[in-house]
Parts: sequence; structure tokens; C-alpha cells
Amino acid sequence: EIVMTQSPATLSVSPGERATLSCRASQSVGNNFAWYQQKPGQPPRLLIYGASTRATGIPARFSGSGSGTEFTLTISSLQSEDFAVYYCQQYNNWPRTFGQGTKVEIK
Amino acid sequence: EVQLVESGGGLVQPGGSLRLSCAASGFTFSNYNMNWVRQAPGKGLEWVSYIPSSSGTIYYADSVKGRFTISRDNAKNSLYLQMTSLGAEDTAVYYCASSLYCSGGSCYSPWGQGTLVTVSS
Repeated sequence: EIVMTQSPATLSVSPGERATLSCRASQSVGNNFAWYQQKPGQPPRLLIYGASTRATGIPARFSGSGSGTEFTLTISSLQSEDFAVYYCQQYNNWPRTFGQGTKVEIK
Repeated sequence: EVQLVESGGGLVQPGGSLRLSCAASGFTFSNYNMNWVRQAPGKGLEWVSYIPSSSGTIYYADSVKGRFTISRDNAKNSLYLQMTSLGAEDTAVYYCASSLYCSGGSCYSPWGQGTLVTVSS
């Protein structure tokens, strides 16, 4: 099973600042990688797939990069609606696996 | 409008069974692979099971293999998860998820709103 490790667990950021979230896979997943955002009481929402492709309707301030085992989600200028939990996921191997999540909170 | 609506959750005793349903609308359900993903209270996301659009290999997480059965009825635009031998560790919100918006990839979008399964005596 591929283990996805996210860092940090919690990220405290002021509105308007840049946020950088990381995810590491225990073995290569190529570009078969996604980021999701989840707010309390809501299902996850797809942000990025294919490691760097923004999903439909996702603002340009969200960008994804990386391939293989190291991936990054960057939020260029945090808005109030971006404070949430972010999960990474690999869909290269079975079983599909998620990271444990990074909570982005208001500083 | 594309929608996935789960139902069938509730309170069940340890060792019991439950059948979850996911009703799809607004897209050609039969063309898309489907998944169940769960989230225990206050915890992260755990993929549970996958079923292809038509024929093909079905996959399960080790934690549910032999206890859960995924199925679909393309004529009814519905996805199912039959759960047996339930334990406290199965308590979670269960989401169904499609790969409709993944441009041929296997990410998950959209998701349903989820249905809560609570296993307790």
C-alpha cells in the first residue's frame, strides 16, 4: 500500500498570505495524484487532478506541482473561504490512498 | 444538474448489516466508474471500494474485504454497498464518488453529501 504523508498537519496563515502544502508518496505514483478541499459538514471537493490540472471552477490562486513522490499545493493568496482541511490522494495503485490531511487555519 | 444522493445509513448493532444506496442523476451513470469513500468522525478519508462502469475488476480496501459488496444497477442509475459483520470501526460517513469531472482520470468528482453509519449497541 502506498502511504501518503502530508505536511504540516496544521498551517496557520493570515488572509492574503501564501500557503504551501506538501504531500509525499512512499513510492512513485507518476502524475496520478489529486488534491481535495473539505470544509466542516461538507463532502470533499476536487481541486487539482493529474498533479497540476485545476478542476472546473477552481480559482487560479490554487496550483499544484510535482510528480513521482513529491507534490505541492500552493494557495497564492489565502481568502477567507480557503480555510479548510486539504487532502492529497494517489490513484495510481490499489488500494487508493489519501494523506491524513492538512488543516489550514487563520493565524 | 449532476447529483449523487446517498441513503440507507443509520444506527446498526455490532455484527449487523446495512445496505447503502447512491442515486445518480444529471449524467450518463453507466459510462463512469464509481467509488465508496468513508470518513470516521473527526478523521480523514478512507477509500472503501471501486466498481467499473460495466464489466471489469472490482476492488476493496483490506479493511472491508469479505464483509462489504459493491454493486451497481445502470438501468436504475444506482450504486450500492452491502455491508455485513459491521463493527464499531465501520462507523463513518459514507460517500459515493464518481470520476465524471476527471477528464478520463480516476480522481473523485463529484461526491455525494454522504450518509452516516453508526455501529453501536
